[in-house]
Parts: sequence; C-alpha cells; structure tokens
Amino acid sequence: DAGITQSPRHKVTETGTPVTLRCHQTENHRYMYWYRQDPGHGLRLIHYSYGVKDTDKGEVSDGYSVSRSKTEDFLLTLESATSSQTSVYFCAISDRGSEQYFGPGTRLTVT
Amino acid sequence: AQSVTQLDSQVPVFEEAPVELRCNYSSSVSVYLFWYVQYPNQGLQLLLKYLSGSTLVKGINGFEAEFNKSQTSFHLRKPSVHISDTAEYFCAVSERLSTASKLTFGTGTRLQVTL
Repeated sequence: DAGITQSPRHKVTETGTPVTLRCHQTENHRYMYWYRQDPGHGLRLIHYSYGVKDTDKGEVSDGYSVSRSKTEDFLLTLESATSSQTSVYFCAISDRGSEQYFGPGTRLTVT
Repeated sequence: AQSVTQLDSQVPVFEEAPVELRCNYSSSVSVYLFWYVQYPNQGLQLLLKYLSGSTLVKGINGFEAEFNKSQTSFHLRKPSVHISDTAEYFCAVSERLSTASKLTFGTGTRLQVTL
C-alpha cells in the first residue's frame, strides 16, 4: 500500500466551527488530491496540488481551502463547517499524474 | 469536460458465476481509464488501468476490462466471482494530456456476491 495516512479518521463537529483534515504521504509524490464521497455521487474532487504551494480548485471547492507547505503534507480546511459538508473525505497521491493512490479516509459529521 | 456513467447501481450475483460491471464515459479528448474497488469502511484500491496499448487489461484478483473507443466503454469482467469480491466498484477517467490527472468518477456499482 502507498504510504498515505489521514488524520483524524473520525470527527464530529458543530456547525460553524473550523475543521482541518490532514493528509500525510511518505512516497514523495508530486500530486495530491482531496475528494469527498457521498452516496449517489461517487467521489468528487475538492482541491488538488501539483507541488509545494501550488494548488487549484476542483469540482466542489466552495467552502473549502487547502494548503501545502511541504511535499508530504496536504491540509484541507473547512473554515465554517456546515451540515452539507458531512461526508467521507479521501486524500490521494500521484507520481506521474496518471493513476492515483488513496488514503483510508476521514469520516466527518457536522451536527 | 468529461463524465462517467455506471449503468448499474447494484449487481447481485451468485458465487462462481461470471459478472460484468458496465462503465461508459464521455470526453472530448483522449483519456486514461481506471477501475477502483472499495471494501466496506476502507479506502479505494486500484483494480486496473488503461493508459495505452492493448485494449484488454488485466488487474488484480482475476478482474479484467476492455477499452472500446468506438463505444466509449470500459466494462469490468470476472469469469468466476468469490464471496470476497463483494464490494463497491468505481470507474474513473482522466484526461490523457492533463498533467495533474484529475479523476472523474462514476457513481459506483455495488457487487453483492451470495452463495
């Protein structure tokens, strides 16, 4: 398995609070991605990174921000969590920009 | 823009029977194609990929898929399924010339294998 960890693995938070999810890789891959998984929607891309400090928006970026200050870490921040952001969040990495390898996921519940 | 359609949300099948999970895609440019498997409460695992070359690709756990450009399809097949194949399967596509390889996923097909 690719060396990808996500933290926390589970989190319950209240509406309006800030939340940061962390993705850490040990593979030194250039590309990193954040997806959310919801029933009936499959996985949808939130943000991605193509290098340190280089990020761009995905399909469902509203309400989310990201940062990548080191190759190995990619942070996803919900500035003010809403119930619609209750989801399972997956981080993925890619070396050559072809296949991606996924982390174990973070289950976030916003009450 | 690209899109992926997985025609069946659920596929029930008996153990040792063959199975085909259907995937169709739409894109205005050349694409890479992937199948991922997700076991309960786990992340996604790459099952197989089509990047170039032979249109019949073989993956892990005895699965294979065939890229059909004229029908824009990438159906997943296994000649004899096992109980342990019960999982959700996702088809995904990315643009061939895109450096960041952003994946567009289908909505998934839940394969339920029973005795």
